[in-house]
Amino acid sequence: DIQLTQSPSFLSASVGDRVTITCRASQGISNSLAWYQQNPGKAPKLLIYVASTLQSGVPSRFSGSGSGTEFTLTIGSLQPEDFATYYCQQLNTYPWTFGQGTKVEIK
Amino acid sequence: EVQLVESGGGLVQPGGSLRLSCAASGFTVSSKYMSWVRQAPGKGLEWVSVIYSGGSTYYADSVKGRFTISRDNSKNTLYLQMNSLRAEDTAVYYCARVGYNWNDGIYFFDYWGQGTLVTVSS
Repeated sequence: DIQLTQSPSFLSASVGDRVTITCRASQGISNSLAWYQQNPGKAPKLLIYVASTLQSGVPSRFSGSGSGTEFTLTIGSLQPEDFATYYCQQLNTYPWTFGQGTKVEIK
Repeated sequence: EVQLVESGGGLVQPGGSLRLSCAASGFTVSSKYMSWVRQAPGKGLEWVSVIYSGGSTYYADSVKGRFTISRDNSKNTLYLQMNSLRAEDTAVYYCARVGYNWNDGIYFFDYWGQGTLVTVSS
């Protein structure tokens, strides 16, 4: 199975900060990677797909990059509604797998 | 508007069975890949199963042989039949629509339901 390791697992930041989350795959997955945001008690929401394509309706402060084994999700200027948990997911090879999550909290 | 509404969760004893439903609107279930994802309390997301528009199915090793994904095209509904349930199957179960990027041939989960809680306990 392809393992996805997110770093950091926990991040404390302030409104307005630039935040970067990394997702590393245990083997190459081309650009078959998606990023999701999940708020407590809610379903995940798609932010980025194909590693760098912004889902319709998602604010442009979110961006994704990477290919192969290393990927990043960047929030350009953190807003109050962005404090949530973020997951990466690979859909290159079965079983499809998720990273363990990165919780972004208010400093 | 695309909507996914899960139902069928509840409390079940170890070894028991449960069938989850996911009623879709705004699109045709049979025309898309559809998937189930679960999340144990306080834990991360775990992919469970997928059904292709052509009917092929795939499962996570943790549920293979115990869970069955299916759909009823006339009801535009996705199902997950769960048998031989274990305590470790306790989770919120989400259904998700699988989107497809034609340029790159890559999938992603573009719509999710609100989830239904399954608790396996005696």
